[in-house]
Amino acid sequence: EQLVESGGGVVQPGGSLRVSCAASGFTFSHYGIHWVRQAPGKGLEWVALIWHDGGDKYYADSVKGRFTISRDNSKNTVFLQMNSLRVEDTAVYFCARWGISADYDALDIWGQGTMVTVSS
Amino acid sequence: DIVMTQSPATLSVSPGERATLSCRASQSVKNNLNWFQQKPGQAPRLLIYGASIRATGIPARFSGSGSGTEFTLTISSLQSEDFAVYYCQQYNNWPRTFGQGTTVEIK
Repeated sequence: EQLVESGGGVVQPGGSLRVSCAASGFTFSHYGIHWVRQAPGKGLEWVALIWHDGGDKYYADSVKGRFTISRDNSKNTVFLQMNSLRVEDTAVYFCARWGISADYDALDIWGQGTMVTVSS
Repeated sequence: DIVMTQSPATLSVSPGERATLSCRASQSVKNNLNWFQQKPGQAPRLLIYGASIRATGIPARFSGSGSGTEFTLTISSLQSEDFAVYYCQQYNNWPRTFGQGTTVEIK
């Protein structure tokens, strides 16, 4: 059971970037997926969640209207489209699985993270 | 949004001693609380969910308790590999929110 993020990089303020989270080793279409970020030297900040079937999505206020979470269950992949990027979006972006069961939103499997740097 | 407040910010403990970490929610989250451990350069690892249920493979020295607004993570006898940052996180409401973390360091 594994999650692998990709797509991070350096982008200018106001720019866009799409990061991906590829899953393997489990039935991807049964699980919701979160994005969580961590600015350099700071704590964890929850960003977004997409349900197992893409039917519902939730966002942190700090990214609402700028970021869009989506998934392609045929490719076992979740995406985070980030637009209108700000310097304060600079962080390592982790994806994590809504594991255990529907009653327990336990982020039980995490990827290694992908670094997004917003800088001019 | 529910604010999660962890205390203390830093806890200095000797190996073999007990560590007690606290997490307070600004409103009730029932027992919808996770605890994570994070070491430098690594992703977080799930320790506890449902406030008191150990995740798969987590040693018995880790225990969680509490409900409503007050929660505790206890490490009964600290091992060298337990020195890390610990986060609580609520999943009772949207948006999900994390505490700011407690660093457990070697005394």
